[in-house]
Amino acid sequence: EAQVTQNPRYLITVTGKKLTVTCSQNMNHEYMSWYRQDPGLGLRQIYYSMNVEVTDKGDVPEGYKVSRKEKRNFPLILESPSPNQTSLYFCASRLTTGQGYEQYFGPGTRLTVT
Amino acid sequence: ILNVEQSPQSLHVQEGDSTNFTCSFPSSNFYALHWYRWETAKSPEALFVMTLNGDEKKKGRISATLNTKEGYSYLYIKGSQPEDSATYLCAFIQGAQKLVFGQGTRLTINP
Repeated sequence: EAQVTQNPRYLITVTGKKLTVTCSQNMNHEYMSWYRQDPGLGLRQIYYSMNVEVTDKGDVPEGYKVSRKEKRNFPLILESPSPNQTSLYFCASRLTTGQGYEQYFGPGTRLTVT
Repeated sequence: ILNVEQSPQSLHVQEGDSTNFTCSFPSSNFYALHWYRWETAKSPEALFVMTLNGDEKKKGRISATLNTKEGYSYLYIKGSQPEDSATYLCAFIQGAQKLVFGQGTRLTINP
C-alpha cells in the first residue's frame, strides 16, 4: 500500500530534550516536506526537500533541522524543543517530474512540549 | 511570505444546497494549485491538482476552476451532503518548490 508513515503519532516531552520525528514514504517520491498546523494559522511549511541531500527552508524553519540521506526518509529534528513548538506536525511527499502531482500526507504527529 | 487567502473561513450549508468558495493566490511565477479535503482527526487528502489557466476539474459533485492570470480558484460542491463536512484547503506552488497553504474554508452541512 502506497503511504507516508510518521512516528511517533503522539509525543509529550519537556523543554530542551532533543527529539526526532521520523517520516518515511514508499512511493519513490522525490519531494518531501514537513508542515505544522496551529489553530488559526493553517498549515505552514517548515522544511522541504527536492531530492536526496537537497533541503531548503519553508516559512517557519526556526528551531528545526532536517536531513535527507535516503530518498524514502525525511526526519524532523528538534534539537532543543520549546513550548511554542507544541503543534500537530504533518509530513508529506509527492513526485516532482511534472506539475500534475498531488501531495500525500502522513497521519500526523501531535507534539506537546511542557 | 506568499499570501494565499481563502474565503469564507467557515460556511454552514443546508443539506442539498450547492455552495462554492474561493482561493486567491499571487499571479506571478505560477506552477500549480492544489485543493485538499481535510476531515477532522484525519490527514489532508488531495482533491484536485490544477496547472493550466482555465483548468476545470470535476470529481463527482465537486468541481474546481482556475484563473492564473487574476490569481483565483473556485471550488464548487453541488447538492451538499453531510459527508462533505470538512475543511477545504488550497495550496499554491510557486516555482515548483515552495508550497503555501491557505487557512482553509471549514464547511458544515446541516441535515
